[in-house]
Amino acid sequence: EVQLVQSGAEVKKPGESLRISCKGSGYSFSTYWITWVRQMPGKGLEWMGSIDPSDSKSNYSPSFQGHVTISADKSISTAYLQWSSLKASDTAIYYCARLMYYDSSGYYPYFFDKWGQGTLVTVSS
Amino acid sequence: QSVLTQPPSVSGAPGQRVTISCIGSSSNIGAGYDVHWYQQLPGTAPKVLIYGNKFRPSGVPDRFSGSKSGTSASLAITGLQAEDEADYFCQSYDRSLSGSGVFGTGTKVTVL
Repeated sequence: EVQLVQSGAEVKKPGESLRISCKGSGYSFSTYWITWVRQMPGKGLEWMGSIDPSDSKSNYSPSFQGHVTISADKSISTAYLQWSSLKASDTAIYYCARLMYYDSSGYYPYFFDKWGQGTLVTVSS
Repeated sequence: QSVLTQPPSVSGAPGQRVTISCIGSSSNIGAGYDVHWYQQLPGTAPKVLIYGNKFRPSGVPDRFSGSKSGTSASLAITGLQAEDEADYFCQSYDRSLSGSGVFGTGTKVTVL
C-alpha cells in the first residue's frame, strides 16, 4: 500500500527552527515528485513547493521562496520541510502529497494521488 | 495567492444536483492546463475526486463529474448525499508561477 506518513505535531516559539518530515512507503520514492501544501487555520490550500527525490531538484511558489527549504533523502524515502526562523503566521497544517503523471494532451499532466496525514505546526510565544 | 476563484459555499438537499465553478484566466486554465478536484472531509487530508478535468480515480462514485471550458472548470455532484458535506478545491497550474501549481479558493458544500 502506498503511504505518506508525516512527523507529529510541533509547538514552537517565534524565532525557533524546525524541520518536519514525510516518509514514503509502498512505492519507489525516487520516481515521484513530492509537494508541500500549507493550510492555515480555517483557510484553503496553498502550494508551497515541490522536490524531485531522485536528484533533490526543487522549485518553490513565489510566495514561499526564501521562507522555507524543501529537501529529500532518497536513501530513507523521506522529504523534509524546514524553517530557520518561525513566525506566528507559520501556524498551520502542512501536508505532503505525491504528484502522479497521467496521459494527457494538456500541459504539465500531474495531480496529487496520495497525501500525508498532515502535520500541525503551532508557533506561539 | 489563489488565482482560481470558487464560490465560498453551495448547498442542496439530499438527492439534488449541485455544481461548483472554478474560474481562472488565460495564464492557467485557459492556457491549456488541466484541472483537478479534491474533497476534504472535516479534519482529514484532501483526496482526489477528479483529475485531468474529467477522469475519476477508481473508488470515486460516478455521482462526481468534472468538465472544463475556456478559462473555467466545474465539478458536479448528482444525487447529493450527507457524506458529501465537505470542502472542495480545484487545482491547476499557472504559467506565471515558475512551475508551481495553484489551488482554488475552496467551496464548502452543505447538505440541507
